[in-house]
Amino acid sequence: EDQVTQSPEALRLQEGESSSLNCSYTVSGLRGLFWYRQDPGKGPEFLFTLYSAGEEKEKERLKATLTKKESFLHITAPKPEDSATYLCAVQAGGSNYKLTFGKGTLLTVNP
Amino acid sequence: DADVTQTPRNRITKTGKRIMLECSQTKGHDRMYWYRQDPGLGLRLIYYSFDVKDINKGEISDGYSVSRQAQAKFSLSLESAIPNQTALYFCATSDQSSYEQYFGPGTRLTVT
Repeated sequence: EDQVTQSPEALRLQEGESSSLNCSYTVSGLRGLFWYRQDPGKGPEFLFTLYSAGEEKEKERLKATLTKKESFLHITAPKPEDSATYLCAVQAGGSNYKLTFGKGTLLTVNP
Repeated sequence: DADVTQTPRNRITKTGKRIMLECSQTKGHDRMYWYRQDPGLGLRLIYYSFDVKDINKGEISDGYSVSRQAQAKFSLSLESAIPNQTALYFCATSDQSSYEQYFGPGTRLTVT
């Protein structure tokens, strides 16, 4: 059974204090790993897809990296508007649709 | 305009009532999905559809049914709502050539 574990459950940072969120996964053949951002009361917003170990993607203050067992979402010099829940999901190689989601990390950035 | 829209955005209903949640998309995607999100449980797949004639159960389909009226429209029905169906419901779409799923704004459903 595919599993995704995100840590920490919640993270509180000061503005400008860089940190990383972790997504550990077990899946039978990874087709893709996805990062989403979710604001309260809204739908998840797609951020990145990573397909193979060693791959990196960047968008503004966010950088996602992938190894064979986990992915990191690095946040550099965060701002209060980066506050959100960040979700990680995986798609197994034998599936062309099913995403298995983690429970998310709630990030709060204080000014 | 939003690519994926859901109606209603909020709904309060009573136990035993029938309710329908609707989803429309302008992304031109073939595939559509319904998820529910509960605190501490994450997103779970209810039903998915790869085209108008293709409907499939997800991991938690009991108590729900769906209808794919057109490529752009996918509705979720609760035939007889119960309190443990209180949750956030999301519609999502994807293209058959990529794996990313794009979510709507959600419907907050409360069953009393």
